[in-house]
Amino acid sequence: GQQVMQIPQYQHVQEGEDFTTYCNSSTTLSNIQWYKQRPGGHPVFLIQLVKSGEVKKQKRLTFQFGEAKKNSSLHITATQTTDVGTYFCAGNWNNNDMRFGAGTRLTVKP
Amino acid sequence: DAGVIQSPRHEVTEMGQEVTLRCKPISGHNSLFWYRQTMMRGLELLIYFNNNVPIDDSGMPEDRFSAKMPNASFSTLKIQPSEPRDSAVYFCASSFGQSNSPLHFGNGTRLTVT
Repeated sequence: GQQVMQIPQYQHVQEGEDFTTYCNSSTTLSNIQWYKQRPGGHPVFLIQLVKSGEVKKQKRLTFQFGEAKKNSSLHITATQTTDVGTYFCAGNWNNNDMRFGAGTRLTVKP
Repeated sequence: DAGVIQSPRHEVTEMGQEVTLRCKPISGHNSLFWYRQTMMRGLELLIYFNNNVPIDDSGMPEDRFSAKMPNASFSTLKIQPSEPRDSAVYFCASSFGQSNSPLHFGNGTRLTVT
């Protein structure tokens, strides 16, 4: 079935370093959403990308949607300890369900 | 807004017992999703409902799993009989509108089957 592949699985950075996670689909997506799950918590919606080549920013977070709408990335500039958690992308292919990537677990060393 | 409410928060049961997980979606949301999360398999979509009707249950592992949504404000996920490999965190999420709507997750039910 349809799925999104997400890499890397884990990322450990020093506080202040940048972080990027990538998602890829073999088929064109209708839209893609990004979620953050803190340790012991539940996924929380961050943002949705719909348009080809779309770029959105939330403070230190930059989200991109590829021109072909098959890939997306989340980039965090100058990570902080509050950024710790697992970041998921979730893809939609013109149906009503969201399929989640495996997630990238980010740890930040102070 | 109370958010998506799941109960119980934790469930420990013995293999072979029936388990029922409950979910109350956000009022006004017309789509409801059940996900299972494990370290090995990540977040798996089990089933989702739209306007109380099951739309896609292809993620339900096997006949031991069943889900119902008798009305717009309540859904259950039942496992009978439960097995140790069913141990996971089960999340319920709801959304309003079509496929581009954000999912609002409950706090999850951590199920342990011994």
